[in-house]
Amino acid sequence: QVQLQESGPGLVKPSQTLSLTCTVSGGSISSGNYYWGWIRQPAGKGLEWIGRIHTRGTTNFNPSLKSRVTISVDTSKNQFSLSLGSVTAADTAVYYCARGRNWGNLDSWGQGTLVTVSS
Amino acid sequence: DIQMTQSPSSLSASVGDRVTITCQASEDISNYLNWYQQKPGKAPELLIYDASNLETGVPSRFSGSGSGTHFSFTISSLQPEDIATYYCQQYGDLWTFGQGTKVEI
Repeated sequence: QVQLQESGPGLVKPSQTLSLTCTVSGGSISSGNYYWGWIRQPAGKGLEWIGRIHTRGTTNFNPSLKSRVTISVDTSKNQFSLSLGSVTAADTAVYYCARGRNWGNLDSWGQGTLVTVSS
Repeated sequence: DIQMTQSPSSLSASVGDRVTITCQASEDISNYLNWYQQKPGKAPELLIYDASNLETGVPSRFSGSGSGTHFSFTISSLQPEDIATYYCQQYGDLWTFGQGTKVEI
């Protein structure tokens, strides 16, 4: 049973970079046919996909965020990370990491971490 | 980009009612469509994958159907524990979520 856990600062200043890490346990991040993705949810609003990285290393991003997003993998730590640059208050949200099997069935999620953008 | 239009945005029903939510894709996504349940303060959970397949451990009162651009999700007999927000998600091209449907009793 794979488990995911997000970690990172809960408060980021405007114009800075938001950085989060997702630690995967119960399975190897570098094996199988999976996507490892990031999804966010502003308070009281819906889910927004941010980006994903495949076990083979391919990345894809939401076109609306693409210019500000980087996703990388550290196989030695069984982690993948999100960087979102030039943040504003509109980036305040709960950020989830998730595993996508068979190209997009999001079958395992982290518990989510709240990131607030404020000075 | 593929857009997902989900309706209704909210609904109120009684215990035992049949509840149906629809999702329309802006392009043909074959059966690359999933349904999730999200309870307050919790991460979403996968209920239905590939439009009509029940995820392991999910009660059989949940079902999904459709292909191409029109999809539906049904709770055959609403239970108190089904109070949640439900989302569709396409993965035919990148990933996109519908706006969500809040189900209340």
